[in-house]
Amino acid sequence: GAVVSQHPSRVICKSGTSVKIECRSLDFQATTMFWYRQFPKQSLMLMATSNEGSKATYEQGVEKDKFLINHASLTLSTLTVTSAHPEDSSFYICSAGGIGERAYGYTFGSGTRLTVV
Amino acid sequence: KQEVTQIPAALSVPEGENLVLNCSFTDSAIYNLQWFRQDPGKGLTSLLLIQSSQREQTSGRLNASLDKSSGRSTLYIAASQPGDSATYLCASASGGSYIPTFGRGTSLIVHP
Repeated sequence: GAVVSQHPSRVICKSGTSVKIECRSLDFQATTMFWYRQFPKQSLMLMATSNEGSKATYEQGVEKDKFLINHASLTLSTLTVTSAHPEDSSFYICSAGGIGERAYGYTFGSGTRLTVV
Repeated sequence: KQEVTQIPAALSVPEGENLVLNCSFTDSAIYNLQWFRQDPGKGLTSLLLIQSSQREQTSGRLNASLDKSSGRSTLYIAASQPGDSATYLCASASGGSYIPTFGRGTSLIVHP
């Protein structure tokens, strides 16, 4: 089945630094990738949608200058948290869909636990 | 905008019980509904996907049903086991964007 690889699984960074999270579709071409954020005991909140080769579409309330998304190829999307602060600490999960995702659903990465100290 | 609600929020049962997890959605014009499992600190594992034209899907001890008219889906877990302990999330894709909207999940504990 479809596999999405997300790295790193866990990262601790100092306040003010930037962190990059990678999301790769290993055995299919992901025309669309989504980035979600999940707070403890909360559901997944969509942050942005990215389509290969075009700018990401951000959800209301998500700062696009803080959460930079790049979807340069059909197998890779990156989320960079710039100038991270403790309130950015959260669980970030990516999801990818290829052709037919409407029929086959979406595949999720294993998530990245970000802790900003 | 689609809203997805899951009941109960938490459930603790002894091993061997049959369980029903509920998911309701406000926009019945869905494309599909997907059930996921999430272990603590982990990503999501897809369990079952039901297309809008389908009524149910089965995989092993899991059965998911879909009733678009009432805006409901149920996940039935037969003969529960401790290894089934996890959070179960449902997500519905609707509207022109096909983006899945998630419920808050049901946290399940199956004790021996």
